[in-house]
Amino acid sequence: DAGVTQSPTHLIKTRGQQVTLRCSPKSGHDTVSWYQQALGQGPQFIFQYYEEEERQRGNFPDRFSGHQFPNYSSELNVNALLLGDSALYLCASSWDRTNTEAFFGQGTRLTVV
Amino acid sequence: AQSVTQPDIHITVSEGASLELRCNYSYGATPYLFWYVQSPGQGLQLLLKYLSGDTLVQGIKGFEAEFKRSQSSFNLRKPSVHWSDAAEYFCAVSGGSNYKLTFGKGTLLTVNP
Repeated sequence: DAGVTQSPTHLIKTRGQQVTLRCSPKSGHDTVSWYQQALGQGPQFIFQYYEEEERQRGNFPDRFSGHQFPNYSSELNVNALLLGDSALYLCASSWDRTNTEAFFGQGTRLTVV
Repeated sequence: AQSVTQPDIHITVSEGASLELRCNYSYGATPYLFWYVQSPGQGLQLLLKYLSGDTLVQGIKGFEAEFKRSQSSFNLRKPSVHWSDAAEYFCAVSGGSNYKLTFGKGTLLTVNP
């Protein structure tokens, strides 16, 4: 079992650009959540996808959007990047929406310059 | 709104010593409570969780935690720390219809030989 896989592991973008991060959930999981972890902070919930729809959203602007595909994989898109978007982006998958057993990927380190 | 406070930013213990990491939460109903561990450059690994029932829960790697409703706490303990336990530890809360995990800012554990 490959667990939760995220790609890419690192990337560097310029202010104003757009970025897409990808996540493949653990086998058997149908729910994907995304978190942003700034340096020295705990992860902050961005949104959750289930049945290809955004089901719950945290306090993030509309520049952050996502998608879930029929195979349960997911993408996180961020438009008009700001320096403050530099962070580790974590994907978590679970077999139900309650997140009582969430498995996290290793994350994508995004640096905005 | 739900929240988690981890009062200790950094704790240093000697190998073989006992460990207690503090966590206080705010949540309107009975919470789901979690402890996660994050090694450098890695994602989060679930150590243990409280969903209901016995307030003393056992986890992986010899960790345990106790849910104390009267104190709104969920402290993590280990009787004898190993050098490999050095990492950052995050407490999280969720529950009810609010499935998102809300994390504390984390406690960095350093283990001296």
